[in-house]
Amino acid sequence: EVQLVESGGGVVQPGGSLRLSCAASGFTFDDYAMHWVRQAPGKGLEWVSLISGDGGSTYYADSVKGRFTISRDNSKNSLYLQMNSLRTEDTALYYCAKDIDFVGATTGFDYWGQGTLVTVSS
Amino acid sequence: QSALTQPASVSGSPGQSITISCTGTSSDVGGYNYVSWYQQHPGKAPKLMIYEVSNRPSGVPDRFSGSKSGNTASLTISGLQAEDEADYYCSSYTSSSTHVVFGGGTKLTVL
Repeated sequence: EVQLVESGGGVVQPGGSLRLSCAASGFTFDDYAMHWVRQAPGKGLEWVSLISGDGGSTYYADSVKGRFTISRDNSKNSLYLQMNSLRTEDTALYYCAKDIDFVGATTGFDYWGQGTLVTVSS
Repeated sequence: QSALTQPASVSGSPGQSITISCTGTSSDVGGYNYVSWYQQHPGKAPKLMIYEVSNRPSGVPDRFSGSKSGNTASLTISGLQAEDEADYYCSSYTSSSTHVVFGGGTKLTVL
């Protein structure tokens, strides 16, 4: 059974940092691209970042480029999102999601975690 | 402002069919067969319903179908059921640097 479990969310002041983690199990982790997708309270889905199966390619939404860094440790079946210079508009539930392929071009995310809540507030 | 445009809401009665549109540009929806659709019930994670325009993952009822014409993709739900009431989102690959874009979401109400 595929499982994705996010952790690391919390309350942080504007300008602060957080590191989110996603522990994956039930599939061959390095065969698939992984994504972070967020959802602000009461709002729609916003794609945040993508990393290919081997970690060699990464992409970011314009809203987080230069502030967030996606990475993965295939030996630990784990995905990460380092978030720096956080803003109030980054407040959201952050989901990790598994892509249906290695590169991540299809935008088919077939498994999602339950999310971890990030609140940026003074 | 979302990159892909969806109607804010649609509604239908049980047994009827509804269609949700997702309009983009030639840089995303119109240029690639990489459109997906997600269903999200309140308080739950999204669920993949359609990928690569018209493919259904295992376990998704065949009442759900996807198509594309030009820069507009569509999700059709036939034989509407009460449990279909949810928010629906489209997504597409984009040739811009962002790589992935979502629509703003459509709230489906089953009357």
